[in-house]
Amino acid sequence: DGGITQSPKYLFRKEGQNVTLSCEQNLNHDAMYWYRQDPGQGLRLIYYSQIVNDFQKGDIAEGYSVSREKKESFPLTVTSAQKNPTAFYLCASSPGGHGTDTQYFGPGTRLTVL
Amino acid sequence: DAKTTQPPSMDCAEGRAANLPCNHSTISGNEYVYWYRQIHSQGPQYIIHGLKNNETNEMASLIITEDRKSSTLILPHATLRDTAVYYCIVRATDSWGKFQFGAGTQVVVTP
Repeated sequence: DGGITQSPKYLFRKEGQNVTLSCEQNLNHDAMYWYRQDPGQGLRLIYYSQIVNDFQKGDIAEGYSVSREKKESFPLTVTSAQKNPTAFYLCASSPGGHGTDTQYFGPGTRLTVL
Repeated sequence: DAKTTQPPSMDCAEGRAANLPCNHSTISGNEYVYWYRQIHSQGPQYIIHGLKNNETNEMASLIITEDRKSSTLILPHATLRDTAVYYCIVRATDSWGKFQFGAGTQVVVTP
């Protein structure tokens, strides 16, 4: 069953702690993305990776870090430096990073900082 | 990428066609029109995209005006499960990275 999986669906964290969100895809896509969505808002790009071992900052990268050691995995770490981390986090992938490539999204992880 | 304008909300009766407008008057020749939808608390779902010709798939039809300054997404027979926020996005063929999601249109399908 092909697709994008994100885990966990809900995540709670104490203020000041780092937390890592998982994103895995078995679509054999080269490009992967992390977005953040706040209530009633559109999506904002945090980081993206066009190929293994390479990634670029998006519009709101401060307080976040990523790695891309494997093609199928693109974990996102929300660090204690992120001032307002409570949000809905969405991972996506596309065959490549080109403008004509459609992005497909995972189910999301809702992070709440207590 | 060009900016899009969509109505904030619209209602549709179950079983009727839903016609969702999108204005993209500054679209460039190399920009595609994409439509996604997002059901509450889920990830966005790809619906359809096109450059200048009308497109149809199992989910919807996309009608793009001849001057490409606006488009309409048509859900032919709306069901309650089509209640979602619908996003119209334009994206250049030479663009890299993000899709620019705006506020979208909240569509509510009623029985």
